[in-house]
Amino acid sequence: RKEVEQDPGPFNVPEGATVAFNCTYSNSASQSFFWYRQDCRKEPKLLMSVYSSGNEDGRFTAQLNRASQYISLLIRDSKLSDSATYLCVVNPYGGATNKLIFGTGTLLAVQP
Amino acid sequence: EAGVAQSPRYKIIEKRQSVAFWCNPISGHATLYWYQQILGQGPKLLIQFQNNGVVDDSQLPKDRFSAERLKGVDSTLKIQPAKLEDSAVYLCASSFRPAVTGELFFGEGSRLTVL
Repeated sequence: RKEVEQDPGPFNVPEGATVAFNCTYSNSASQSFFWYRQDCRKEPKLLMSVYSSGNEDGRFTAQLNRASQYISLLIRDSKLSDSATYLCVVNPYGGATNKLIFGTGTLLAVQP
Repeated sequence: EAGVAQSPRYKIIEKRQSVAFWCNPISGHATLYWYQQILGQGPKLLIQFQNNGVVDDSQLPKDRFSAERLKGVDSTLKIQPAKLEDSAVYLCASSFRPAVTGELFFGEGSRLTVL
């Protein structure tokens, strides 16, 4: 089983739609979780951290379910500019190693 | 503030040839990573340095890949000899407190094509 798994998509949604991505991780001891965004032929950039209690940043909401070992990202009122690949990132071993494992990414295409 | 610098941006070589990539991280960032990103996949960690020491190189194909970070600043990643399956973007990233902030600062990458 891969350490971090995501549905590769693509998710094709109209502008204004709400879309959600899930990501599962294999190591129950994983400590920290993040979502990155990668535009076509660009480098990945941090979108947001995922906190145990869930957190929101504008139209983006991230949630963590430790019992089921999955993370989710919800995007409300999708914009054309949200079209990108969304990468789930997990630190599986805690602060001592600073290791960050990336998922395959989920491709989102927002249509006009 | 200057970002992570990588060179070359593009490289085309024949299989069995060698290639080297260079990375200059953001000043003050102790942690440096090399990731390999094959088209359609997420970045795969090849090697992680903390200052000039290797923290994790479990996914580095050591029969053909090598990396070093002299003096805890710049780093080079070398492939010798290259195989067709090494065609990918090689991303260098640096961070100050990655486990806490999760924020890696990536360079623009070095795109390798092996023919």
